Amino acid sequence: AQSVTQPDIHITVSEGASLELRCNYSYGATPYLFWYVQSPGQGLQLLLKYFSGDTLVQGIKGFEAEFKRSQSSFNLRKPSVHWSDAAEYFCAVGAFSGGYNKLIFGAGTRLAVHP
Amino acid sequence: DAGVIQSPRHEVTEMGQEVTLRCKPISGHNSLFWYRQTMMRGLELLIYFNNNVPIDDSGMPEDRFSAKMPNASFSTLKIQPSEPRDSAVYFCASTDTTQGYYGYTFGSGTRLTVV
Repeated sequence: AQSVTQPDIHITVSEGASLELRCNYSYGATPYLFWYVQSPGQGLQLLLKYFSGDTLVQGIKGFEAEFKRSQSSFNLRKPSVHWSDAAEYFCAVGAFSGGYNKLIFGAGTRLAVHP
Repeated sequence: DAGVIQSPRHEVTEMGQEVTLRCKPISGHNSLFWYRQTMMRGLELLIYFNNNVPIDDSGMPEDRFSAKMPNASFSTLKIQPSEPRDSAVYFCASTDTTQGYYGYTFGSGTRLTVV
């Protein structure tokens, strides 16, 4: 069955430090992969997506993610975190299931940023 | 485009009352999803519509929940009667599957509190 695992529930980093959020997926075919961010009281905003091609994808707000098929991973990175990056981050895999494409979300990683 | 619009943003109701949540998807999108988000269960897909037709309602918790999409620009999620355990944030999302698979656009959600 398709699934997404985000091993870290909470992460705290200092402003200006680098960030890596982990995501592992389980899917039999070539996956469509997404990262979403949810600020407090807001909906989910798409940060970036991977469909095919270059395994390093760039997104909004200075984020990037790297698809590693051998590790079934799609980790999100940012070289220098800003206080405004504090939010919850969701990794998702687009899976064809039940006759249609659906997004399967991980449990999320809550990021706190210290000044 | 104004994005996916949900109303109300907040709803507080008493147990046993009927609650109706509303969603206006992005114009031109042919697919609509209702999600529920709680601390315990994360993001759960409740129901999926394609071209206004319910395709998958396997995530609807029980018969107290119902959803309709009378036209391409409007959907409702109704809970009758409501119970305290229905308290959650309910999100609506839409996408256009005719243009390929690009992930979803989410609304800002409705925070439901049943007392």
